Amino acid sequence: EAGVAQSPRYKIIEKRQSVAFWCNPISGHATLYWYQQILGQGPKLLIQFQNNGVVDDSQLPKDRFSAERLKGVDSTLKIQPAKLEDSAVYLCASSFRDRVTEAFFGQGTRLTVV
Amino acid sequence: QQQVKQSPQSLIVQKGGISIINCAYENTAFDYFPWYQQFPGKGPALLIAIRPDVSEKKEGRFTISFNKSAKQFSLHIMDSQPGDSATYFCAASNLRSGNTGKLIFGQGTTLQVKP
Repeated sequence: EAGVAQSPRYKIIEKRQSVAFWCNPISGHATLYWYQQILGQGPKLLIQFQNNGVVDDSQLPKDRFSAERLKGVDSTLKIQPAKLEDSAVYLCASSFRDRVTEAFFGQGTRLTVV
Repeated sequence: QQQVKQSPQSLIVQKGGISIINCAYENTAFDYFPWYQQFPGKGPALLIAIRPDVSEKKEGRFTISFNKSAKQFSLHIMDSQPGDSATYFCAASNLRSGNTGKLIFGQGTTLQVKP
């Protein structure tokens, strides 16, 4: 079974530039999560989708971050404009709708903002 | 009240020894407590989890001890091996109906097992 796919693996941008991350969840997983993991900290949930609807985006900085999940499969997370403090690993995870305790994580995208 | 505090930040154990990582929480609504293992360059992977109706859960060399009254839980790794060297995260969630099951992670513990 293929895992959660994320791209790119690494990205370096200058502050005030924009960046986008892509995630392809495990086939059949209705729930998709984006987490931000700052170096030395645990992952923090940014947004949770159920199919293509947003379930929780309470910790998403909406003035600069946006995410979408068209057709309830792939998802993109965008940052515009980026700040230095956005440097982190962005993790995508997915699970079956009724098994949120069994979320599988992708390898993440490491973003460096200079 | 949404925080999960994890200690120690780093841990060095000799091969064959016992590794112990502790976590504490404040929100009594939490009813699911997983531990995740993360290797460098990889995403976290679920290792073992416990619900508050039991005080201990064991899977192979990994054991979770849960103290509901103290609002603490810990991960014990018996017979630690160099392959266990990784970062470990505790987490907590509220799975009751109407909640999203959002995971609140601790700060992480970097474990190094020396041969």
